[in-house]
Amino acid sequence: GAVVSQHPSWVICKSGTSVKIECRSLDFQATTMFWYRQFPKQSLMLMATSNEGSKATYEQGVEKDKFLINHASLTLSTLTVTSAHPEDSSFYICSVEGLNYGYTFGSGTRLTVV
Amino acid sequence: KNQVEQSPQSLIILEGKNCTLQCNYTVSPFSNLRWYKQDTGRGPVSLTIMTFSENTKSNGRYTATLDADTKQSSLHITASQLSDSASYICVVNLNTGFQKLVFGTGTRLLVSP
Repeated sequence: GAVVSQHPSWVICKSGTSVKIECRSLDFQATTMFWYRQFPKQSLMLMATSNEGSKATYEQGVEKDKFLINHASLTLSTLTVTSAHPEDSSFYICSVEGLNYGYTFGSGTRLTVV
Repeated sequence: KNQVEQSPQSLIILEGKNCTLQCNYTVSPFSNLRWYKQDTGRGPVSLTIMTFSENTKSNGRYTATLDADTKQSSLHITASQLSDSASYICVVNLNTGFQKLVFGTGTRLLVSP
């Protein structure tokens, strides 16, 4: 499968500030990347599908103005949590769809909003 | 009701013992079923991928089975090691014209020395 790098691995920010999370596909040109959120002891929940060169597709209930996604190149997608609040604290994970239906996940980003 | 149910929710076993995790799904049609291992604070790592026509797939000490008729899958871990302590997630990839993953609830496994 693809090699996916996610950065940062953890971040603490003040309420009201914005945080950017990067997801890089190191060895595969990914036209599509996926962003998930995972709360403690729960399954991954798909937030949005990031499409290179076009607008992201958001799942129902996910605010597109709050979770800004940019997929400007075939190797990089970014998720920006704008005006973060404590309830946005979660584990954010990206994934890349590689060849032969293989999905590779990033190592995740633990966001804590204080 | 979750479309991909896993059991047990949690499991504690002694190091060296075997265990089997279950996954029952109701979603269809699907193109493949995957098992992932997720260490605490990390992203999921793929263990096996099986298409609907495959019955079993092994990856080292991990062996997954699939019964598409009964919509059941299992993950068998042989000779468990402390490093096997993690959450194991069953994921069904729907065949709906585009890829859509449906995640199971996960089984938290603790291997005790």
